[in-house]
Amino acid sequence: EAQVTQNPRYLITVTGKKLTVTCSQNMNHEYMSWYRQDPGLGLRQIYYSMNVEVTDKGDVPEGYKVSRKEKRNFPLILESPSPNQTSLYFCASSQRVNTGELFFGEGSRLTVL
Amino acid sequence: AQSVTQLGSHVSVSEGALVLLRCNYSSSVPPYLFWYVQYPNQGLQLLLKYTSAATLVKGINGFEAEFKKSETSFHLTKPSAHMSDAAEYFCAVTEKTSYDKVIFGPGTSLSVIP
Repeated sequence: EAQVTQNPRYLITVTGKKLTVTCSQNMNHEYMSWYRQDPGLGLRQIYYSMNVEVTDKGDVPEGYKVSRKEKRNFPLILESPSPNQTSLYFCASSQRVNTGELFFGEGSRLTVL
Repeated sequence: AQSVTQLGSHVSVSEGALVLLRCNYSSSVPPYLFWYVQYPNQGLQLLLKYTSAATLVKGINGFEAEFKKSETSFHLTKPSAHMSDAAEYFCAVTEKTSYDKVIFGPGTSLSVIP
């Protein structure tokens, strides 16, 4: 089954404790992206990757890191989480982002205390 | 910068009534346009997309949308609402010259009243 898998789905952590949200896709897509969803703001792009070893900042990259060492994986790293990073996070992938469909994971709800 | 607006953060309709969710975009270059739906506790999934073929686009679950360049709009409609249509709906856009970004609107939450 074609899917984008994120883990963990739910996480409560404390300020400053490094965490990683994993994302894996099994569709051999070149493009992958991370979004955060906040009420009234829709989805805002954090980072994206056009291919292996190619990453770039989205609209809200501050406080986040990513890596793309393999085509299927695109982890999101919060080196020192802060309460303003409490949000719902989505990973997505696509074969051709400007005309094609974005496939989304089920989301990771992060709470930073 | 490219932007997408969705009029009405919350829309309520009666079961069987017409659904109309509004989307306007700002772009000097005619874009590619999408509608995504998000059911509770799930990720987004594609409802339909416009990529410069027919201006009236049909999607899944009986939804359709019409691209109107003169009005910079891409409104989503469904003739008869069903309880299962209750969800969050997002309009999204990419510019034809941009291969790396999808811009999402703020979303419209649709409630269907029995």
